[in-house]
Amino acid sequence: GDSVTQMEGPVTLSEEAFLTINCTYTATGYPSLFWYVQYPGEGLQLLLKATKADDKGSNKGFEATYRKETTSFHLEKGSVQVSDSAVYFCALKAGKSTFGDGTTLTVKP
Amino acid sequence: NAGVTQTPKFRVLKTGQSMTLLCAQDMNHEYMYWYRQDPGMGLRLIHYSVGEGTTAKGEVPDGYNVSRLKKQNFLLGLESAAPSQTSVYFCASSELAGGDNEQFFGPGTRLTVL
Repeated sequence: GDSVTQMEGPVTLSEEAFLTINCTYTATGYPSLFWYVQYPGEGLQLLLKATKADDKGSNKGFEATYRKETTSFHLEKGSVQVSDSAVYFCALKAGKSTFGDGTTLTVKP
Repeated sequence: NAGVTQTPKFRVLKTGQSMTLLCAQDMNHEYMYWYRQDPGMGLRLIHYSVGEGTTAKGEVPDGYNVSRLKKQNFLLGLESAAPSQTSVYFCASSELAGGDNEQFFGPGTRLTVL
């Protein structure tokens, strides 16, 4: 079946550091890929998405590229801020959605 | 436009008690979902609905029932709560099931079963 594997956390960075959160997937067919973010005490909200191979999703300084050859969708940001502290979920959608386990990011001033 | 709302926000039950969680969306979405979130296990789909009057089982349906009598509402019931059902429950909706349709999530209900 479909599955998503995310980099284990938690991840702790200093402000302005570079962020990478790895995500790989297995799926039949051609899924769409998503990154959701969950701030403390809130539900998940869409951060970015990509619907086909080589697409790059971007939002709020975050980027991820749909790499079919490596079945990956790694999340990156060049300079993180304290306000980026949250839990990040990678997900794929091929009919139903499948979510990764989430990676907790803490950014310290 | 409130999006997806959930009631209650918090609840404590004793083993064997029953309760219903309510999810409402005002975006006229066809699809609605119930997930549970447990530490280290991500989100797991309990039940979902592809339209008014329809429901289907997800990954972990045992111990839960659902109903979708109105398009905007999706109810999750626990008939006889167990400690293993202690979790955070999220409702979500999407316009269609198509691959690029994002899901919109409610703020969650934190349930503790003693």
